[in-house]
Amino acid sequence: KNQVEQSPQSLIILEGKNCTLQCNYTVSPFSNLRWYKQDTGRGPVSLTIMTFSENTKSNGRYTATLDADTKQSSLHITASQLSDSASYICVVFDRGSTLGRLYFGRGTQLTVWP
Amino acid sequence: EADIYQTPRYLVIGTGKKITLECSQTMGHDKMYWYQQDPGMELHLIHYSYGVNSTEKGDLSSESTVSRIRTEHFPLTLESARPSHTSQYLCASSSPGLAGGLQYNEQFFGPGTRLTVL
Repeated sequence: KNQVEQSPQSLIILEGKNCTLQCNYTVSPFSNLRWYKQDTGRGPVSLTIMTFSENTKSNGRYTATLDADTKQSSLHITASQLSDSASYICVVFDRGSTLGRLYFGRGTQLTVWP
Repeated sequence: EADIYQTPRYLVIGTGKKITLECSQTMGHDKMYWYQQDPGMELHLIHYSYGVNSTEKGDLSSESTVSRIRTEHFPLTLESARPSHTSQYLCASSSPGLAGGLQYNEQFFGPGTRLTVL
């Protein structure tokens, strides 16, 4: 069964601190993995997309890593800001599907306190 | 910033009413999607479309229906709303792309409609 599991479910950190969010997946065949940021009451916005040949990708203060062998990914946020408070969703794309099927994790709810 | 719009953003209605959630995109994307998301839960695909006059049901069974008469427009309709339909509904569209030699579909999401049925 294709699944995407994220941890922790929620996380509270102080402004300026770093944090790392985890994602494990069982989706096969694997095409790419995406991290989305979803603000409360809004739609998800893409942060990074990585294929199986990419180990790391950065987008500003966000750095995603991927280990396709162990089927694990992480999202590292550096020098957190209040605006980073959101749900971070790990999404895996199944290339075996002509639709372009995405499998979503439940997200990690990050709260940044001043 | 993706050009995909949803209206209304918030809707509170009584049981039994017919409602239509609007979704429009100006990017010319052929593929469009509707997702349902409950608080703290993952997105579930309820409908999708490959293009005009093409609609399919997604993974999660839904009593809603969709239509795709124009490329840019993908409305979702509930003929008789019930409290169990209370949820957030997200519309998305996708464009093809290549990364690492493999094709992927970059999905762009609208802001969502928060539906509450009393």
